[in-house]
Amino acid sequence: QVHLVESGGGVVQPGRSLRLSCAASGFTFSSYSVHWVRQAPGKGLEWVAVMSHDGSNKYYADSVKGRFTVSRDNSKSTLYLQMNSLRDEDTAVYYCARGVGRIQLWLSAFDIWGQGTMVTVSP
Amino acid sequence: DIQMTQSPSTLSASVGDRVAITCRASQSISTWLAWYQQKPGKAPKLLISKASSLESGVPSRFSGSGSATEFTLTISSLQPDDFATYYCQQYDTYWTFGQGTKVEIK
Repeated sequence: QVHLVESGGGVVQPGRSLRLSCAASGFTFSSYSVHWVRQAPGKGLEWVAVMSHDGSNKYYADSVKGRFTVSRDNSKSTLYLQMNSLRDEDTAVYYCARGVGRIQLWLSAFDIWGQGTMVTVSP
Repeated sequence: DIQMTQSPSTLSASVGDRVAITCRASQSISTWLAWYQQKPGKAPKLLISKASSLESGVPSRFSGSGSATEFTLTISSLQPDDFATYYCQQYDTYWTFGQGTKVEIK
């Protein structure tokens, strides 16, 4: 069974940091790009960041650029999202999602999603 | 940035109805468009990619069409399990989602 499992969410004060993890199983993690997507309470989906299969390329949404950093450890089949300088508007469920197609970064939808982890930024 | 606009935002329908959701892109994205279904408290599920390619296991009552800037998701006969929120997503240039369409029971 192909699975992605997020962890690391919680309640954090504005300006503080948090690191999310996304553990993969059931497929060759090192062959796929993986994304972070978030959803604020009662709102729609927002793409946050992506890292290519080998870690050589990473891209961010403007809303998080300079504050969030995506990384991966293929030996542990895990993707990370380091979130610094957190703001109220970062409050959301954070999902990791696999890009369709081995090796492919661009022109791919998201075929496997984790269950999400909630991040609440509150004083 | 490419903007995606869905209509309607909410759709009230009955079991057995044929329903259609429209998604418009702010510039041409060829057929690099996906549709997702999301139920409350759950992760999105990929239904259709490349505008009209049905994912494995997705019922054939779902279909997608369109190209360039205009796309449609059609459910031919709405079933109880289909009441959910649907999102379009462009993946031509980076990734952008529409704001969602909630399909509710009439």
